[in-house]
This record gives sequence, structure tokens and C-alpha cells, in this order.
Amino acid sequence: DGGITQSPKYLFRKEGQNVTLSCEQNLNHDAMYWYRQDPGQGLRLIYYSQIVNDFQKGDIAEGYSVSREKKESFPLTVTSAQKNPTAFYLCASAGPGTQPQHFGDGTRLSIL
Amino acid sequence: QQQVKQSPQSLIVQKGGISIINCAYENTAFDYFPWYQQFPGKGPALLIAIRPDVSEKKEGRFTISFNKSAKQFSLHIMDSQPGDSATYFCAAKNNNNDMRFGAGTRLTVKP
Repeated sequence: DGGITQSPKYLFRKEGQNVTLSCEQNLNHDAMYWYRQDPGQGLRLIYYSQIVNDFQKGDIAEGYSVSREKKESFPLTVTSAQKNPTAFYLCASAGPGTQPQHFGDGTRLSIL
Repeated sequence: QQQVKQSPQSLIVQKGGISIINCAYENTAFDYFPWYQQFPGKGPALLIAIRPDVSEKKEGRFTISFNKSAKQFSLHIMDSQPGDSATYFCAAKNNNNDMRFGAGTRLTVKP
């Protein structure tokens, strides 16, 4: 089945630690996205990538980093600079033009 | 700055009733308007979508109404069922793959 796989489903971060969230897609989509979801605030864009080896900051990129070395993969690192990382993180991908975004089932990150 | 405004924040409807969620956008470059349904612990799933060249699209019990001049669109769920209880997000996208989401509406359908 084609889709987006996010792992792990739950992740815990210690103070001062960087953690990496995985996102893999087999939909052959060029565009990939990372969103943060907090209660009552909808989805806020962290980073997006339109093509391999290129990515752009979204609205709340501070404290996060990404890479796009392969079309299928778009990992997100939550660095120690992100002071309030507790949230539900969603990865998405999209085809060209006005194609809808397809989402993974998210990773819930908590602070120990 | 929120480019897509969604209301209400929460909605309670009796089984069999009509659920209506409204969205308004500002950027006239948006040309694709999807609605997503999200259950707890899951990612949003595409429910129904519309392009601005039509005023209404219906798929089963779900209908999108679109008013281009007012820059507003709404989701109507007819004969609402308890299984429809979820969070619904409207969104607007342009052809540069820039998609903006509303803040979400938590729908509860009471049996």
C-alpha cells in the first residue's frame, strides 16, 4: 500500500537532547512537509521541501532542522534549542500542482 | 497571521442532524480547498475537496459550498452520525504547493 510512515509513534526527549523523527513515503511525491499540532491551534508548518536536496523554513522553524537526501525520506530533528517541543508532529507529502497533501499518523513527542 | 479562519471551534450535534463548519480565506491565489478529517492519535485524512470554478461539491453525506466572491467555503455533514465525531480542518492551497490550514473544529455527534 502506498502511504506515509512516521516513526516512532511516541518519543521522549531529555533536557538538552536532540531527537530525530522519521518520515518515509512511497507515493513518489516530490513535496514533503512537517507540521506541528498543538491543541486548539491547528497545523503549523515547520519546514517543507519541494525537491531533493532543497528545503525551506515554514512559519515556526526555530529549534528544528531537516534534511532531504532522498525523495522518499524527510527526517525532522528537534534540537535542544526548541524550548517547548511537546506536541504532535505530522509529516505530509503532495504531488504536483493542486494535489492534496497526504499525512502520516504522527509522532507524539514528550519531555521527560 | 492566520490566512484561513475556521469556525466554530467546537460543535455538538444530535444524531441525524446537520453539521456545518465554516471557513474564510484571504489570499485570492488559493485555488484548491480541501477538508480533512482527523481522529485522535491519527493523521488528518482527506475528506472532500473543491476548486473555485464550482460552487458546490457533494460526496455522499458530505457537501462543500463555495462562495468565491465572499472568499468563504463551508462543509455540511448531512444525517450526522456518532462515527463522524472527529476534528475537521479546512485548508486552502495554491499551485506553489503552499497550503494553509484552519484551526480545526471538534465535532461531537450525540447518539
